[in-house]
Amino acid sequence: QKEVEQDPGPLSVPEGAIVSLNCTYSNSAFQYFMWYRQYSRKGPELLMYTYSSGNKEDGRFTAQVDKSSKYISLFIRDSQPSDSATYLCAPGGPQGGSEKLVFGKGTKLTVNP
Amino acid sequence: DSGVTQTPKHLITATGQRVTLRCSPRSGDLSVYWYQQSLDQGLQFLIQYYNGEERAKGNILERFSAQQFPDLHSELNLSSLELGDSALYFCASSVGLAGGSETQYFGPGTRLLVL
Repeated sequence: QKEVEQDPGPLSVPEGAIVSLNCTYSNSAFQYFMWYRQYSRKGPELLMYTYSSGNKEDGRFTAQVDKSSKYISLFIRDSQPSDSATYLCAPGGPQGGSEKLVFGKGTKLTVNP
Repeated sequence: DSGVTQTPKHLITATGQRVTLRCSPRSGDLSVYWYQQSLDQGLQFLIQYYNGEERAKGNILERFSAQQFPDLHSELNLSSLELGDSALYFCASSVGLAGGSETQYFGPGTRLLVL
């Protein structure tokens, strides 16, 4: 079983839709949970960061973590064409004496005007 | 613009060759990370350096090596290249040595094609 599983999509939605992106993970040592956004031909950039189970909201974005079921979600409300990108979940925690992130393969999202 | 620079942007080489990828971190960042991104494997962590010292190792092959210099720039050396090494190579930097729990700022990447 891979440490982090993420549906690669692609996902195509109309502008204004609510988008749900999900990941599952297997490593109970993961303590923090990040979402990175990667535009085409660019490097990833940090979008959301949460440390605990529950919800964290930032504008149109909500990150949700359920540690008991090892499930991570990112919701995008009122999606915009500028949200078209690949979204990478990245849980992390202590591994082999250092702190490491493990990235999912990414879900490619297209928001159509 | 993340403030992290990588050169070259593109690299085409042949199997068996050796290449060097270069990264300059954001001003003030002491940690540098190297990642490999391919379609089938996704973004894979290779190695982290903090202030010149190796800090953490990921899925880095023995044919690959890296170093961080006193001016904090870093180089990733890939040798005996194989077709499967074709990928995007990203460098990222962060302020401290906390690794995954810190915000990492990614460069634009180097696209390597091995023919």
